[in-house]
Amino acid sequence: EAGVAQSPRYKIIEKRQSVAFWCNPISGHATLYWYQQILGQGPKLLIQFQNNGVVDDSQLPKDRFSAERLKGVDSTLKIQPAKLEDSAVYLCASSFAGPGELFFGEGSRLTVL
Amino acid sequence: QQQVKQSPQSLIVQKGGISIINCAYENTAFDYFPWYQQFPGKGPALLIAIRPDVSEKKEGRFTISFNKSAKQFSLHIMDSQPGDSATYFCAASTGTNAGKSTFGDGTTLTVKP
Repeated sequence: EAGVAQSPRYKIIEKRQSVAFWCNPISGHATLYWYQQILGQGPKLLIQFQNNGVVDDSQLPKDRFSAERLKGVDSTLKIQPAKLEDSAVYLCASSFAGPGELFFGEGSRLTVL
Repeated sequence: QQQVKQSPQSLIVQKGGISIINCAYENTAFDYFPWYQQFPGKGPALLIAIRPDVSEKKEGRFTISFNKSAKQFSLHIMDSQPGDSATYFCAASTGTNAGKSTFGDGTTLTVKP
């Protein structure tokens, strides 16, 4: 079974530039999450989708971050404009609807200079 | 507000020894407590999880001990092996939304041969 796919794996940008990350969840997983993991910290939930609807985006800095999940499958996370403090690993995870195990991708490491 | 506090930040254990990582939580509504293992460059992977209706859960060399009254839970790794060297995160969530987890800040475990 294929896991959660993410791209790009690494991205370096200047502050105030924009960046987009892509995620393809495990087939059949209705729920998709984007987490931000700053070095030395645990993952922090940014947004949760159920199919193509947003369940929770209370922790998403909406002035600069946006996310969408078209057709309830793939998802993109965009940052515009980026700030230095956005340097982190952006993890995508998916799960079946309801309770159960989270499956994480390998993450996209963003460095903002 | 740090809702899940994890300690120690780092841990060095000899091969064959016991590794113990502790977590404390504040929100009494939490009812799902997973532990994730993360290797460098990889996303977290579920190791073992517990619900508060039991005080202990064991899977192979990994055991979760849960103390509801103290709002604490811990991970015990018996017969620690060099391959167990990784970062371990405790997490907690409420209701049926296991994906909306609050994570601790992680413990970096090094098992010396």
